[in-house]
Amino acid sequence: AQTVTQSQPEMSVQEAETVTLSCTYDTSESDYYLFWYKQPPSRQMILVIRQEAYKQQNATENRFSVNFQKAAKSFSLKISDSQLGDAAMYFCACYYSNYQLIWGAGTKLIIKP
Amino acid sequence: SQTIHQWPATLVQPVGSPLSLECTVEGTSNPNLYWYRQAAGRGLQLLFYSVGIGQISSEVPQNLSASRPQDRQFILSSKKLLLSDSGFYLCAWGTGNNEQFFGPGTRLTVL
Repeated sequence: AQTVTQSQPEMSVQEAETVTLSCTYDTSESDYYLFWYKQPPSRQMILVIRQEAYKQQNATENRFSVNFQKAAKSFSLKISDSQLGDAAMYFCACYYSNYQLIWGAGTKLIIKP
Repeated sequence: SQTIHQWPATLVQPVGSPLSLECTVEGTSNPNLYWYRQAAGRGLQLLFYSVGIGQISSEVPQNLSASRPQDRQFILSSKKLLLSDSGFYLCAWGTGNNEQFFGPGTRLTVL
């Protein structure tokens, strides 16, 4: 079975510092897509960043970037210059096929002022 | 631009009562549509998805059902709610790039 694992239930970081959230996945597929979603207290699920498995270059969106290690099946999210508004649950997800995303259990990110 | 609507935002229902949650998408045609449930502090559980009108795939056995009467309308229903149906229900639509975009969600409490 294809799985996505987020091993950090909770992380905290000082405002303006950098934090990395971990995600690993397991698949035998060669073509897939990886995503990070953010869910703030409002519970609206927001797409943060995506990565195509066939691309070697790591995706970047402003202060958010990923470290995609295909051989290790690792897909971590780095948040630079953390802001109070970054406090949220962060979910890693993987699309393999059959129209579905496989989701991790989430990491709660706390920003300390 | 595309938008997705869900209603109601909050719902409190007694055990054994029926349920109907509605989701509509604007600004796109023939989207893939999804219903998820999220327990407090947990990840997302896929309940149903649809790739076209009248086409529904169920991922978990339960007393919920889904229907897609129109291209951009997705409805989650139950004939008799259980206490275990309480949770946060999210509707999403999917793109050809495999991304999913979510509605604001419905918080359902079954008493």
